[in-house]
Amino acid sequence: NAGVTQTPKFQVLKTGQSMTLQCAQDMNHNSMYWYRQDPGMGLRLIYYSASEGTTDKGEVPNGYNVSRLNKREFSLRLESAAPSQTSVYFCASSTQPQGPYGYTFGSGTRLTVV
Amino acid sequence: SQQGEEDPQALSIQEGENATMNCSYKTSINNLQWYRQNSGRGLVHLILIRSNEREKHSGRLRVTLDTSKKSSSLLITASRAADTASYFCATGGNSGNTPLVFGKGTRLSVIA
Repeated sequence: NAGVTQTPKFQVLKTGQSMTLQCAQDMNHNSMYWYRQDPGMGLRLIYYSASEGTTDKGEVPNGYNVSRLNKREFSLRLESAAPSQTSVYFCASSTQPQGPYGYTFGSGTRLTVV
Repeated sequence: SQQGEEDPQALSIQEGENATMNCSYKTSINNLQWYRQNSGRGLVHLILIRSNEREKHSGRLRVTLDTSKKSSSLLITASRAADTASYFCATGGNSGNTPLVFGKGTRLSVIA
């Protein structure tokens, strides 16, 4: 049982380049999330999808777009990367936004923008 | 924002001792959750306590919730070196439909 799978694990981008972070879950969860983690800042929510077909902005959505491709997959796109987007990105999923079993997290994507 | 704030930011104890971490939040909640993060890994869900519960146990973990003070504590008893990690509390709105907001975490070091 893979849980939440994120690809790639590491990426270096040049300023202005674009890329898509992929996330897939195999637990039949309804809700999926993208967080970023910066030193001393904890986790901050970028976007989330409470159910298939819906997406909503989180605390720090600027510079990002998301696609809930189907129930399993939720991708995060950086259209024009900036050094301020250097971070570790985590995808997570759950039965519902405050479901009884909590969130299952992927292992993260470490992104550096130079 | 109803972001939880953990206290202390860092804690260092000897193996076998108990570790206590605290979390304060700002607005009414549906539940409060605690997560662990080992270095370089994703977060792992530890325990959830509902707003109408005051205390919950899971193995060596004990969580308390005081909604009048808007605070929670996580106690790890008889700590082990393997408990070394960062611990985060997370809360959401009282409707249950809003995503979790995480605090900045407590970094726990257990020295063998």
